[in-house]
Formats: sequence, C-alpha cells, structure tokens
Amino acid sequence: GESVGLHLPTLSVQEGDNSIINCAYSNSASDYFIWYKQESGKGPQFIIDIRSNMDKRQGQRVTVLLNKTVKHLSLQIAATQPGDSAVYFCSTGNQFYFGTGTSLTVIP
Amino acid sequence: DGGITQSPKYLFRKEGQNVTLSCEQNLNHDAMYWYRQDPGQGLRLIYYSQIVNDFQKGDIAEGYSVSREKKESFPLTVTSAQKNPTAFYLCASSIMGLAGGRMFFGPGTRLTVL
Repeated sequence: GESVGLHLPTLSVQEGDNSIINCAYSNSASDYFIWYKQESGKGPQFIIDIRSNMDKRQGQRVTVLLNKTVKHLSLQIAATQPGDSAVYFCSTGNQFYFGTGTSLTVIP
Repeated sequence: DGGITQSPKYLFRKEGQNVTLSCEQNLNHDAMYWYRQDPGQGLRLIYYSQIVNDFQKGDIAEGYSVSREKKESFPLTVTSAQKNPTAFYLCASSIMGLAGGRMFFGPGTRLTVL
C-alpha cells in the first residue's frame, strides 16, 4: 500500500539555525505534496505545498524540495524560532495516509 | 471567518456511554473526514464523506458512526463498542475528495474515558 514517512521522529535545533525535515513517499504517481504543522493540542495547519512539475517552492522562511527520482521530500525552515516547535507531517494529498510526523524542538 | 470548528474541546465519558463529537465547516467543502490521533502517533482515518448523505469507512471505523445530513456538518459518535476511545479526534475538510488536496483541520476534541 501507499505510504509516506518521516525519516526522523524527533529533531532538535538551536534557535536561529536552519532546520531540515525529510520525508519519503512510496507512490511514484503522486503529483501533489503538502507539509502540515501541528502544535501541541491543536489541529494540523497547512504550511506549504508543491506539485510534481516543480523541484522547489519557497514560502516565508520555509522551502520545500522535491526529488521525484528518489521519491523524497524535504522541508527547510530558515532561522528556526521557538514558535516553530511542533510536529511536522508530510502528505501526498491522499487523505488516507499521514505518517507519524517529525517532532521539532527549538532550543533557545 | 471561514473555517472548521469542533466541539467540545474536551470531553469525558464514562465507560458504556455513547458520545457525539461535533464538526462544522463553512468553507463549502464537499469532503469531510474524521481522524483519530494517539500520543506520538500519526493520523488514522475513521470515516470520510465526499457528498451529503454518503460516507465511507476508513481504516479504523469499528466502534464509530457518522452522519452527513448537511454539507456543513459531519458529527462523529463514539459508541460503547469502541474499546479504547481515549484519544484526540480531528475533523477535516477539503475541496477534493480522496483524489488529493489540501486539508483544513479543526482544533480537535480530546476524549477521555473515565
């Protein structure tokens, strides 16, 4: 079956450093990818998305990179802040499948 | 403001009781979903609905029931048949159905069985 998974369950970074969260997916036919952020006790929120006809997309302090050859997706957060502490999920847009997420902790 | 709301935020249930979790959206989305999240776990799909008066089971539908009488509303009932109902429940909606699309999530309901 289809799957999406984060490479590391937890990640700790110093405030001000850049963070990179990685994700692998199994379905080579996937053409839409989404990153969500879930703060403690809240519902996930959309961060950024990317279509398969793109390799890179930038938002405010966030960049998503897509490597279709190896079926890999990454989320880069620039100048990580304490408010970035959360669990991050990647999704192929298939509503059946959400991985366990990567818990990002920002150390002041 | 457009969005998706869930109530209550916290819910306590005695064993053997049925409880209903509310989910309302004013985004005019056709598709709505219920997920369960356990500590340190991902989201598991309970039920989904792509159109009014129609819904489908997800991976863990046993012990749960839903209805979709209105486009805006998709309540979830946790029945006494659900053996381990203590969890965080998330409702979501999207323009597109399972073909893919951005999800809009509610704030969640934390259910605790006493």
